Amino acid sequence: EDKVVQSPLSLVVHEGDTVTLNCSYEVTNFRSLLWYKQEKKAPTFLFMLTSSGIEKKSGRLSSILDKKELFSILNITATQTGDSAIYLCASPGGALNFGKGTSLLVTP
Amino acid sequence: DGGITQSPKYLFRKEGQNVTLSCEQNLNHDAMYWYRQDPGQGLRLIYYSQIVNDFQKGDIAEGYSVSREKKESFPLTVTSAQKNPTAFYLCASRLGGSNQPQHFGDGTRLSIL
Repeated sequence: EDKVVQSPLSLVVHEGDTVTLNCSYEVTNFRSLLWYKQEKKAPTFLFMLTSSGIEKKSGRLSSILDKKELFSILNITATQTGDSAIYLCASPGGALNFGKGTSLLVTP
Repeated sequence: DGGITQSPKYLFRKEGQNVTLSCEQNLNHDAMYWYRQDPGQGLRLIYYSQIVNDFQKGDIAEGYSVSREKKESFPLTVTSAQKNPTAFYLCASRLGGSNQPQHFGDGTRLSIL
């Protein structure tokens, strides 16, 4: 059975801190790993990772995949209160297998 | 603008009633999906459809039904057999190619009166 596990489930940091969110996966016929950010409504797409060791970057967010160890991390540097959200990791099969998400709260 | 539209945003249901949640997309995506989200549970797949007139059960299909008569529409019916329907329901679609990102609607929050 395909499985995606995220840790930690919740995290509280101060503005300016750097955070690392973890995602491990066991997926048959692995194709890619996706990261989403969910605020109050629809998850919005952040990154799609297909190759090991190649960092994807967008502003203060970056992500990398390790296909040997079957995990990915999402880094957020110099966090802001607007980064507070649920961060979801997923890996596609027939549909997307989602982890439970990491709930991040950035306090002023 | 292209996108996915879910309606209504909020829905209240009396026990014993069936209700239907609407999902429409104008992205010309082949595949459409319904997820349920409960606090601390992440997203759980209810049903998905890869093409018109075909759909498959996800992990928690019991108490739900769907139809896919048109490419752009994938309505979800929450039946009275679903004993705990209070949740946030998200619809998504994806262009063909099973590793492409899904695009999500803004969700429908269903509550039991």
